[in-house]
Amino acid sequence: DTEVTQTPKHLVMGMTNKKSLKCEQHMGHRAMYWYKQKAKKPPELMFVYSYEKLSINESVPSRFSPECPNSSLLNLHLHALQPEDSALYLCASGRDRLFDEQYFGPGTRLTVT
Amino acid sequence: AQSVTQPDIHITVSEGASLELRCNYSYGATPYLFWYVQSPGQGLQLLLKYFSGDTLVQGIKGFEAEFKRSQSSFNLRKPSVHWSDAAEYFCAVGLPSGTYKYIFGTGTRLKVLA
Repeated sequence: DTEVTQTPKHLVMGMTNKKSLKCEQHMGHRAMYWYKQKAKKPPELMFVYSYEKLSINESVPSRFSPECPNSSLLNLHLHALQPEDSALYLCASGRDRLFDEQYFGPGTRLTVT
Repeated sequence: AQSVTQPDIHITVSEGASLELRCNYSYGATPYLFWYVQSPGQGLQLLLKYFSGDTLVQGIKGFEAEFKRSQSSFNLRKPSVHWSDAAEYFCAVGLPSGTYKYIFGTGTRLKVLA
């Protein structure tokens, strides 16, 4: 299995809602990433997990809360988001060398109303 | 300052024509270099990577890239473009030492004319 899967594909949420994004990989990768991507922009790193431990948090607001329950799963919990948080959220995985190639999921298109 | 530059925001080519997308980086040491492609509304797919050895690397979908140390460049090429190649292309750099750095260029949007 060489895929990274993300659910849901689309999500519309109000500013008072709580929702979660899910990412899964079965390639045995030990690094997992969350990115935020706005239209016509490159992906912007949010979080990096290495061996299920949060190793990088790029000063992301606390309304985004990552979780790595095991080596195959990565969640992003969302609470009290703002309209400017609307974006494509991409999950990626990679081998344990954080500077090496990454394998991306198809993304979750999030709209905050 | 450390950076990854893709000078061309948009490129339009005719189907069957050759393609070259430019990427320049400014880092002290040779980083790991990557090209990714992103179709609209999709995730990124790795086309190829370079970290050592032969400076001409082959990737998927008929793409190749050449690393030129003297020019700090890693340009992507394809001899004959297909309409399905229309997408956004990102060059990326990974630094294997020091603090974590994985930098994407700003991207080049490729349009293919039938």
